Amino acid sequence: AQSVAQPEDQVNVAEGNPLTVKCTYSVSGNPYLFWYVQYPNRGLQFLLKYITGDNLVKGSYGFEAEFNKSQTSFHLKKPSALVSDSALYFCAVSAYSSASKIIFGSGTRLSIRP
Amino acid sequence: ETGVTQSPTHLIKTRGQQVTLRCSSQSGHNTVSWYQQALGQGPQFIFQYYREEENGRGNFPPRFSGLQFPNYSSELNVNALELDDSALYLCASSKSGGPPSGANVLTFGAGSRLTVL
Repeated sequence: AQSVAQPEDQVNVAEGNPLTVKCTYSVSGNPYLFWYVQYPNRGLQFLLKYITGDNLVKGSYGFEAEFNKSQTSFHLKKPSALVSDSALYFCAVSAYSSASKIIFGSGTRLSIRP
Repeated sequence: ETGVTQSPTHLIKTRGQQVTLRCSSQSGHNTVSWYQQALGQGPQFIFQYYREEENGRGNFPPRFSGLQFPNYSSELNVNALELDDSALYLCASSKSGGPPSGANVLTFGAGSRLTVL
């Protein structure tokens, strides 16, 4: 069975500082990994994904994520946080063998203070 | 291109009733997935439809059922509503050249918020 864990319910960062939102996963075989963001009263929006290849994946709005197979992690990062980055972030995982089933974590609320 | 649209946006039902939620896929997308997001939680996979057939299901009872139509729109039906069914129901569409893959990016609608009293 596949699962994903986001160990922090909330991350607080000052504007201009780097941010990291943590994600670990468990899956049989090779994983497909995603980050989505949810703004209030809106659906989830895709940020980036890892399928294969380079372990550092770049996505929308200056976000990037690093795939670490030995640590089964896929942490989301941004070099310089903006107040507008404040939102709810979800990590998600799927496995080649599970085809359509994409499993989401419980979410991490990112709060950027001016 | 139009995004994913869901209706209704909000609805209130009483325990035991039945509900139908509707979803129109993004233009060019042929696969629809449904998720349940309880307050303060991540989305939980209900099922996916491809070529008008169910193509994968999560841990939800049979009273959760769905349909996909030839124009790729979809419905989620929930019978015998329970208080715990209160949640935001999210529809997501994706484009598959062949059978859907876990690598496909999902495009989400804004959701239908169901309250069961």
